[in-house]
Amino acid sequence: SQQGEEDPQALSIQEGENATMNCSYKTSINNLQWYRQNSGRGLVHLILIRSNEREKHSGRLRVTLDTSKKSSSLLITASRAADTASYFCATDAKGSGNTGKLIFGQGTTLQVKP
Amino acid sequence: ETGVTQSPTHLIKTRGQQVTLRCSSQSGHNTVSWYQQALGQGPQFIFQYYREEENGRGNFPPRFSGLQFPNYSSELNVNALELDDSALYLCASSLVGTGETQYFGPGTRLLVL
Repeated sequence: SQQGEEDPQALSIQEGENATMNCSYKTSINNLQWYRQNSGRGLVHLILIRSNEREKHSGRLRVTLDTSKKSSSLLITASRAADTASYFCATDAKGSGNTGKLIFGQGTTLQVKP
Repeated sequence: ETGVTQSPTHLIKTRGQQVTLRCSSQSGHNTVSWYQQALGQGPQFIFQYYREEENGRGNFPPRFSGLQFPNYSSELNVNALELDDSALYLCASSLVGTGETQYFGPGTRLLVL
């Protein structure tokens, strides 16, 4: 079963626009991570935000975390055609027995049109 | 590139057969996790190996088993293949078992006919 839900399931924007994806989860977490996947291949790690952090930046990426609402958002600014991919949030749940077991959402498919 | 490699890249098997998938972890990493990703879904955790021992398991039947070797590489074995086992199998390596970034390989796409 999936821990989280991503919203929207699909997003189509023009190059240069900003893209925002949201993720909700169910249990308390150690951290939340965002990954990108191109064409059903391997996952590329984008950013990790810990449960005691509220916002984090990496280049054109901005991630927020609201543990009271059990939600996170990923903002990609000034999008490029190369950002076209599926984006997944993954949580490392507290009480997972020290496994580092990641629980993934269903993903958001982003299309950036040139 | 993450330094995590998987083989083979693609595989076709028939129902009832057995399959072994392989993963080499990134240099210096001692933990390997395996995930199954069905088409259009997010990855689902199968199990994790740390120091050659299983260190947590998801909701998968015992016909999914694994090994980790002294060089931290790993195998995923699936017996009595079913049609629903068709998926992308991903391995991820990390330095410790909890709360750290996992680095994923390119995956093995398995088709069961």
